Amino acid sequence: DIQLTQSPSTLSASVGDRVTITCRASQSISTWLAWYHQSPGKAPKLLIYKASTLESGVPSRFTGSGSGTEFTLTISSLQPDDFATYYCQQYNSYQYSFGQGTKLEIK
Amino acid sequence: EVQLLESGGGVLQPGGSLRLSCAASEFIFSSYAMSWVRQAPGKGLEWVSFISGGGVVTKYADSVKGRFTISRDNSKNTLYLQINSLGSEDTAVYYCARLIPARGVFDMWGQGTLVTVSS
Repeated sequence: DIQLTQSPSTLSASVGDRVTITCRASQSISTWLAWYHQSPGKAPKLLIYKASTLESGVPSRFTGSGSGTEFTLTISSLQPDDFATYYCQQYNSYQYSFGQGTKLEIK
Repeated sequence: EVQLLESGGGVLQPGGSLRLSCAASEFIFSSYAMSWVRQAPGKGLEWVSFISGGGVVTKYADSVKGRFTISRDNSKNTLYLQINSLGSEDTAVYYCARLIPARGVFDMWGQGTLVTVSS
C-alpha cells in the first residue's frame, strides 16, 4: 500500500501569509494526487486534483505542484476561511489513501 | 442541487451489524463510481470501499476486507455499506463520496453519519 506523509502536522500563520504544505508518497504516484480542505464538523472539499489542477470554483490563491513522490500545496495569501485541516490523497489501481492531515491554525 | 445524504448511523454494541445508506440526488447516479470514507473522532480520513457505476467492481481497504460490503441500487439512487462484526475501531463518521475515476478524486461528499461502537 502507498503511504502519504504530510508535513508539518500543524502550521501557525496569520491572515495574508503565504504557506506551503508538503505531501510525500512512499512510492511514485505520477501526478495522481489531490488536496482537500476540511473545516471542523464539515465534509472535506476538493481543492486540487492531478497534483496541480484547480477544481472549479476554488480560489486561485491555492496552487498545487509536484510529481512522483513529492508534492506541495501553497496558499498565497491566507483568508479567514482557510484556517482548517488539509489532506492530500492518492489514487493507485482502485486503492486510495490519505495523508494524516495538516492543521492550519491562526497565529 | 447535487446532493448526497447518508443515514443509518447510531450507537451499536461490539459484534453487531448495521447498514448505512447514502441517497443521491440531482445527478445521474448510475454513471458514477462511489466510495465510502470514514473519519474516527479527532483523526484523519480513511478510504474504506469503492464500487463502480454499474456495481460490478468493488474494492476494499485491507482494514475492512471481509467485514464490510459495499453495494448500490441504481433504481433507487442509493449506495449502501453493510458492516458486520463491529469493533471499537469502527467508531467514526462515515461519508459517502462521488468518485471521478479519470481524476482519481472524490468531488462530492455527503454530510456524514456517525457510527459509535460501545458496550
